[in-house]
Amino acid sequence: DAEITQSPRHKITETGRQVTLACHQTWNHNNMFWYRQDLGHGLRLIHYSYGVQDTNKGEVSDGYSVSRSNTEDLPLTLESAASSQTSVYFCASSDLADTQYFGPGTRLTVL
Amino acid sequence: DQQVKQNSPSLSVQEGRISILNCDYTNSMFDYFLWYKKYPAEGPTFLISISSIKDKNEDGRFTVFLNKSAKHLSLHIVPSQPGDSAVYFCAASTFTGGGNKLTFGTGTQLKVEL
Repeated sequence: DAEITQSPRHKITETGRQVTLACHQTWNHNNMFWYRQDLGHGLRLIHYSYGVQDTNKGEVSDGYSVSRSNTEDLPLTLESAASSQTSVYFCASSDLADTQYFGPGTRLTVL
Repeated sequence: DQQVKQNSPSLSVQEGRISILNCDYTNSMFDYFLWYKKYPAEGPTFLISISSIKDKNEDGRFTVFLNKSAKHLSLHIVPSQPGDSAVYFCAASTFTGGGNKLTFGTGTQLKVEL
């Protein structure tokens, strides 16, 4: 069955370190998205991609970057982790339709 | 500027009764609306959706109503079951040239009590 996976599921890191969160989907979807979930804010869009070599900034992109070298993967990099980036991160993918399918999430703690 | 609002952070309903979750939006360009359900430690899962050209969509116990003039949608769950206890997110879609993008509300925690 097609699926979307995220790794690691839990990560603890220190302020200033570079961190990369992985997202891999086997749906063969062109569109992929990264969100963060925080209490009182719901799901906020960080970055998204509509295909290989395409990346776009979302509403909370500062301090994050993504790259899309193939259809299946959209890794999210925190260049220099900050305590404000402690959150739960979700990756999602979709085809041309509106419905997005989400991964299980990565809980990131920045100390 | 919160373009999609869920003004009730929580809702408690008795098993067997109706649950009504509400969502308001401000952007007239939204053309498709979705509801997602989220259990703790899991990713959101798609529940039901509605196009802006419709005013109602039904799928089993779940019905979504859209009132475009009021920029308001609601999710009805009848009858409510304990397994429905979860956080429900409303989302609205816009086309941004390369594809569709979703804007989410802040979520409503539904608790269905025995």
